[in-house]
Amino acid sequence: QSVLTQAPSASGTPGQRVTISCSGSSSNIGNNFVYWYQQLPGTAPKLLIYRNNQRPSGVPDRFSGSKSGTSASLAISGLRSEDEADYYCATWDDSLSGRVFGGGTKLTVL
Amino acid sequence: QLQLQESGPGLVTPSETLSLTCTVSGGSISTTTNYWGWIRQPPGKGLEWIGYIYYTGSTYYNPSLKSLKSRVSISVETFKNQFSLKLTSVTAADTAVYYCVRHRGDPGGYYYYGMDVWGQGTTVTVSS
Repeated sequence: QSVLTQAPSASGTPGQRVTISCSGSSSNIGNNFVYWYQQLPGTAPKLLIYRNNQRPSGVPDRFSGSKSGTSASLAISGLRSEDEADYYCATWDDSLSGRVFGGGTKLTVL
Repeated sequence: QLQLQESGPGLVTPSETLSLTCTVSGGSISTTTNYWGWIRQPPGKGLEWIGYIYYTGSTYYNPSLKSLKSRVSISVETFKNQFSLKLTSVTAADTAVYYCVRHRGDPGGYYYYGMDVWGQGTTVTVSS
């Protein structure tokens, strides 16, 4: 039972634009930066987005992050088969005084 | 290029202590801008943040992970460029893949830029 809520699954076809959402509250997303991690099958997670919408070097600009109020979104445009992975949002929670993860969204490329 | 490598036993007996070490290569663990932490992922489940340490030895543990409360400790050996995780009185619920990570900036502060380097992960099974 994560304090950040993500849909367990999402899907799209190659070339499509998909959005993965992360819902929280005023004590976490509403007051702190959001981070996104991509976990390809059988591998360690990788930082995809930091501070709501910043991409580390090497992350394609097909990936973008945004935040509005107590929700955040990760958008993937020009979907590719290699984007099939689990995606986790994360932030700090002021009430819990700790970092929290969403439950993860499994993205399937049809 | 900074790399992290976890090491430790893959099988731990219930009620015993789980001990893992993360070796940092390609950079210094004493860099003032970095913190070092542990994340775990139970089989088929999501990520759980365990805690982190600064090179000075200052630690912070996840207060929400009640199952870890008082059982977990993280330490650092700067001269070896390593940091370690100890989890006592383990049960089957501690079975997971354990990752060591680098935090860019203070995870609890404003100037935080995410967990940008991860180890490959090590699978720990708690079983007799």
